[in-house]
Amino acid sequence: GNSVTQMEGPVTLSEEAFLTINCTYTATGYPSLFWYVQYPGEGLQLLLKATKADDKGSNKGFEATYRKETTSFHLEKGSVQVSDSAVYFCALSERGSARQLTFGSGTQLTVLP
Amino acid sequence: ETGVTQSPTHLIKTRGQQVTLRCSSQSGHNTVSWYQQALGQGPQFIFQYYREEENGRGNFPPRFSGLQFPNYSSELNVNALELDDSALYLCASSLDPAGVETQYFGPGTRLLVL
Repeated sequence: GNSVTQMEGPVTLSEEAFLTINCTYTATGYPSLFWYVQYPGEGLQLLLKATKADDKGSNKGFEATYRKETTSFHLEKGSVQVSDSAVYFCALSERGSARQLTFGSGTQLTVLP
Repeated sequence: ETGVTQSPTHLIKTRGQQVTLRCSSQSGHNTVSWYQQALGQGPQFIFQYYREEENGRGNFPPRFSGLQFPNYSSELNVNALELDDSALYLCASSLDPAGVETQYFGPGTRLLVL
């Protein structure tokens, strides 16, 4: 079956530091890949996505590249802000009529001023 | 345009009881998916409803059931509650069953089973 393995947290960084959160996946087919963010008390929000190999998803300074050869989709940001503090989830979705999301376990990021 | 709303925000039940959680879809969305998020874990897919019919189910027992209404709002029912059912329950609506990229999540209902 499908699975997503995420870098264990929590991760604590100083403002303006470089962020990497690792994500690898196992899928039977050719999935789409996503990063979601969850702020306290709020629902999951789609941060970025990539639908095919070598695609780069980007949003709000965050980037991730779909690497089929290493089955990875690592999240990066060059300079984090305090407002980036949240839980980040890597997820995949196979093509099909009911496109459910399979999530990783999440990585708590805390950015200190 | 309203977002996805869920009710209640929190509730406490005892083992063996039944619970109903509610979800109101984003305007124009005809598909609702439900997820269970245990503490410290990622969400797990429970099932999806499309045009009032179940359209896919994850690895959850039959005591987890759902409904979707003509206005596309939805309910999640859980019978014979167990302690392990304590979790954040998320619903997400989308324009169609394959529309993961257009899926919007609600803030969730936090259920505690004692």
